[in-house]
Amino acid sequence: DIQMTQSPSTLSASVGDRVTITCRASQSISSWLAWYQQKPGKAPKLLIYKASSLETGVPSRFSGSGSGTEFTLTISSLQPDDFATYYCQQYNSYWTFGQGTKVEIK
Amino acid sequence: EVQLVESGGDLVQPGGSLRLSCAASGFTFSSYSMNWVRQAPGKGLEWVSDISSGGSNIYYADSVKGRFTISRDNANYSLFLQMNSLTDEDTAVYYCARSRVPYTISPFDYWGLGTLVTVSS
Repeated sequence: DIQMTQSPSTLSASVGDRVTITCRASQSISSWLAWYQQKPGKAPKLLIYKASSLETGVPSRFSGSGSGTEFTLTISSLQPDDFATYYCQQYNSYWTFGQGTKVEIK
Repeated sequence: EVQLVESGGDLVQPGGSLRLSCAASGFTFSSYSMNWVRQAPGKGLEWVSDISSGGSNIYYADSVKGRFTISRDNANYSLFLQMNSLTDEDTAVYYCARSRVPYTISPFDYWGLGTLVTVSS
């Protein structure tokens, strides 16, 4: 089974900050990686697929990069609506989520 | 507009059974693989099961294999999850989610609001 490890688990940041979340796969997954945003009591929302492709309607301040085993999600300028928990997901072999990164207000 | 609406969540005793349903609308249901994803209280997301568009290919997480059965009714735009031999570790919100691209393994672009399953005596 492919394991996904995100870091950090919690991130404290201010509005306007540049934020980066890392996701590592236990084996190569090529570019078969997605990122989701989840707010409390809500369903997850797909942000990025195939490591760097932005889902329709997602603001351009979100970007993704990486391939193989190491990936990053970057928010170029954190907005109030972005405080949430973010999950990576591999879909190279079945589907596995990372444990999540909570982005909280500093 | 794509909509997924789960139902069937309830309080059930350990060892019991439950059947979840997901009603889909706003897209050609028979073209897309569908999934169940769960989230235990205060925890992260866990993929549970996937079923291909026609129902011929089915996959399960190891944690539910042999206890859960996924199925679909394309004529009625419905997805199901039969859950047997439930334990307290199955307590979670269960989400129905659509695979993004027809006929391929892909991430999940539409999700329902979820239905809560609580396993407790």
